[in-house]
Amino acid sequence: GENVEQHPSTLSVQEGDSAVIKCTYSDSASNYFPWYKQELGKGPQLIIDIRSNVGEKKDQRIAVTLNKTAKHFSLHITETQPEDSAVYFCAATVNRDDKIIFGKGTRLHILP
Amino acid sequence: EPEVTQTPSHQVTQMGQEVILRCVPISNHLYFYWYRQILGQKVEFLVSFYNNEISEKSEIFDDQFSVERPDGSNFTLKIRSTKLEDSAMYFCASWSTGSSGYTFGSGTRLTVV
Repeated sequence: GENVEQHPSTLSVQEGDSAVIKCTYSDSASNYFPWYKQELGKGPQLIIDIRSNVGEKKDQRIAVTLNKTAKHFSLHITETQPEDSAVYFCAATVNRDDKIIFGKGTRLHILP
Repeated sequence: EPEVTQTPSHQVTQMGQEVILRCVPISNHLYFYWYRQILGQKVEFLVSFYNNEISEKSEIFDDQFSVERPDGSNFTLKIRSTKLEDSAMYFCASWSTGSSGYTFGSGTRLTVV
């Protein structure tokens, strides 16, 4: 079955700097890659997603890149702000109605 | 914005007792899911449900677990005889064609003592 690896487990960046979180997946059939943000005491919230027919997608300060050949995908947050502090999960699935396989999460700290 | 609602937010139960976790998915969604997250660990798939039946279930979802959609709005997860290792956050999610991705509820923290 699918296995998603995520790095780093913890990331601290200065406010205003960029943050990058990287993931790899194992199942070449996966073609939908959502990213979730989880704040304390809340459920995961979808922040951006990408399908395998696209190499990059951007939404304001957030961008995702996908290298389907290498089975790598990454989340980039630019101009980080205090409210970006949270746990971020990458995930992969074959179809959007299928089960999602999550990475272990990255705890992002934005330092003042 | 439509939400997935879960109740209760926190449940404490004695080992061996039955618990029912409740969810109200987004009203026009057709696919329903339960996930769990043991403290500090990743979110794990338990079960998916579509057209009034289980679509897929994980190894975690053994005979102690069951799901039900008793009416047009609620989606429940029952654990028949809870174990200490069932302590976790349980998240309900829903999805439908046209949605960009799952919508998760805020979760139920289950503590088995």
